[in-house]
Amino acid sequence: DTAVSQTPKYLVTQMGNDKSIKCEQNLGHDTMYWYKQDSKKFLKIMFSYNNKELIINETVPNRFSPKSPDKAHLNLHINSLELGDSAVYFCASSPHGAGTDTQYFGPGTRLTVL
Amino acid sequence: QQQVKQSPQSLIVQKGGISIINCAYENTAFDYFPWYQQFPGKGPALLIAIRPDVSEKKEGRFTISFNKSAKQFSLHIMDSQPGDSATYFCAAYMDSSYKLIFGSGTRLLVRP
Repeated sequence: DTAVSQTPKYLVTQMGNDKSIKCEQNLGHDTMYWYKQDSKKFLKIMFSYNNKELIINETVPNRFSPKSPDKAHLNLHINSLELGDSAVYFCASSPHGAGTDTQYFGPGTRLTVL
Repeated sequence: QQQVKQSPQSLIVQKGGISIINCAYENTAFDYFPWYQQFPGKGPALLIAIRPDVSEKKEGRFTISFNKSAKQFSLHIMDSQPGDSATYFCAAYMDSSYKLIFGSGTRLLVRP
């Protein structure tokens, strides 16, 4: 009964390919996030959805497109993958999206672009 | 633009010692400061958090000290244990932005 789950855990692909990462939370939270953690461990917000509505859209290439089919799911699709996209991608959720909410992170998806 | 600066980048402490990690922020609009702990291969998890209207918060062996005038806050881990070995992130939040800004992380190693 994992709270925030991501699939796949590892993703190895060639440059130029298109790939998706899926995220699901069973906590009943309203808000979900995608973070990118680079090789130096720096953690940066990419997107946030509250009740399926996009509320944070950081300066990321438009090759990255999030999709939230419902409150419990937030998927990340990446087109035309580049070497610099290699990183660990974390999905997270929080109850209401308020800043003082605890954010619950998934286990991460390690993306390697060759 | 890094709005939350964290130091040191890495820290080695003997078992039983005190681990201290420091963070500084620039934007006075930040109003919530959590610390997250991340073990290898796992996602970050909330450890402890503080609001700027208090100068200190303690939970077990973990204490946040907050200096509003200096725009600095720190995490103290008392009686550090090998199980505390992890990467620690400070973060800051302001209501108007909806997002947490994370520091660059500190890799802590507690030697037995």
